[in-house]
Amino acid sequence: DQQVKQNSPSLSVQEGRISILNCDYTNSMFDYFLWYKKYPAEGPTFLISISSIKDKNEDGRFTVFLNKSAKHLSLHIVPSQPGDSAVYFCAASAREGAGKSTFGDGTTLTVKP
Amino acid sequence: KAGVTQTPRYLIKTRGQQVTLSCSPISGHRSVSWYQQTPGQGLQFLFEYFSETQRNKGNFPGRFSGRQFSNSRSEMNVSTLELGDSALYLCASSRGGDNQPQHFGDGTRLSIL
Repeated sequence: DQQVKQNSPSLSVQEGRISILNCDYTNSMFDYFLWYKKYPAEGPTFLISISSIKDKNEDGRFTVFLNKSAKHLSLHIVPSQPGDSAVYFCAASAREGAGKSTFGDGTTLTVKP
Repeated sequence: KAGVTQTPRYLIKTRGQQVTLSCSPISGHRSVSWYQQTPGQGLQFLFEYFSETQRNKGNFPGRFSGRQFSNSRSEMNVSTLELGDSALYLCASSRGGDNQPQHFGDGTRLSIL
């Protein structure tokens, strides 16, 4: 039973355009959601997060949207840059499991110059 | 500010052996979590330690164990190694409270021959 799903294994976009990465979850106890970016041979790097009391959080070119009723979140990157090419992981945690995050399988983003 | 440090970076073992991996968290972080990542898979949660106590545990067999020291450094031990234990083992630290992002090390790549 995969509680966090990223249904698109890969995404390719043109430089300067918008990248939209999607994530669905099933556990209604999740109340904190995060996106991580991972380059080969490195550990995941925290990108942006959102609490369940919000529906949007923005940090520079990165915006995360949360739709609790649909149990869906998305990461928007505008404008996309070649350096954004990496694997993006969606993760979620529940209040009673602060140090335990459940991860999706990742989406490989390729931004073409 | 130093990041999360994992040692060793690479390790080769044979079936039946045991292995110990080490993780030094970011200064001031009291929570240390361990994850396993296998090819094409997301991160699978192993366990989390907070103030020297195991606070959360994933669905891994008892061959996987860990501990945390008073300086928050953590070790993970895997006994009676199996071929399927070949993976990237990632350590992450956080302050330990609610809604805190985890910060990852670059992992230990364990190969079982």
